[in-house]
Amino acid sequence: EAQVTQNPRYLITVTGKKLTVTCSQNMNHEYMSWYRQDPGLGLRQIYYSMNVEVTDKGDVPEGYKVSRKEKRNFPLILESPSPNQTSLYFCASSKEMGRGGNQPQHFGDGTRLSIL
Amino acid sequence: AQSVTQLDSHVSVSEGTPVLLRCNYSSSYSPSLFWYVQHPNKGLQLLLKYTSAATLVKGINGFEAEFKKSETSFHLTKPSAHMSDAAEYFCVVSVRSGNTPLVFGKGTRLSVIA
Repeated sequence: EAQVTQNPRYLITVTGKKLTVTCSQNMNHEYMSWYRQDPGLGLRQIYYSMNVEVTDKGDVPEGYKVSRKEKRNFPLILESPSPNQTSLYFCASSKEMGRGGNQPQHFGDGTRLSIL
Repeated sequence: AQSVTQLDSHVSVSEGTPVLLRCNYSSSYSPSLFWYVQHPNKGLQLLLKYTSAATLVKGINGFEAEFKKSETSFHLTKPSAHMSDAAEYFCVVSVRSGNTPLVFGKGTRLSVIA
């Protein structure tokens, strides 16, 4: 079954304790992306990757890191989490996302992070 | 700059009545446009997409949307609402410049009353 898998689904942690949210897709997609969803703000893009070893900042990259060493995996790293990063996070993937951007995104089920 | 505006943050309809969720976009180029649905505790699922072919696009679950260039709109409609349609809906526009390929609207929450 084609899917995007995020782990963990829920995490409560404390300020400053490094954490990683994993994302894996089994569709051989080139494009992967991370979003955060906050009430009243919709989805905002954190980072995206056009292919292996190619990553770019989205709208809200501060406080986050990503890496794309393999095509299927795109982990999101919070080196020193803070309470303002409490949010619902989504990973997504699609076929090659050229500048035309006409490929639909496949989303994971989300990771709810609470930073105390 | 490209942008997307969903004109209603919340829409409430009775079961069996038509649904209209409104979306206006701004783009310097011919855009690709999408509607996604999000059910509680789930990720977003593609409903339909417009990519410069037919202006009336049919999607899953009886939804459709019409691209109107003169009005810069891409409204989502369904003739008859079902209880299972209650969810959050997002209009998305692709862009051909800038840092991010996609721009999301803030979402419209659809409530369906029995």
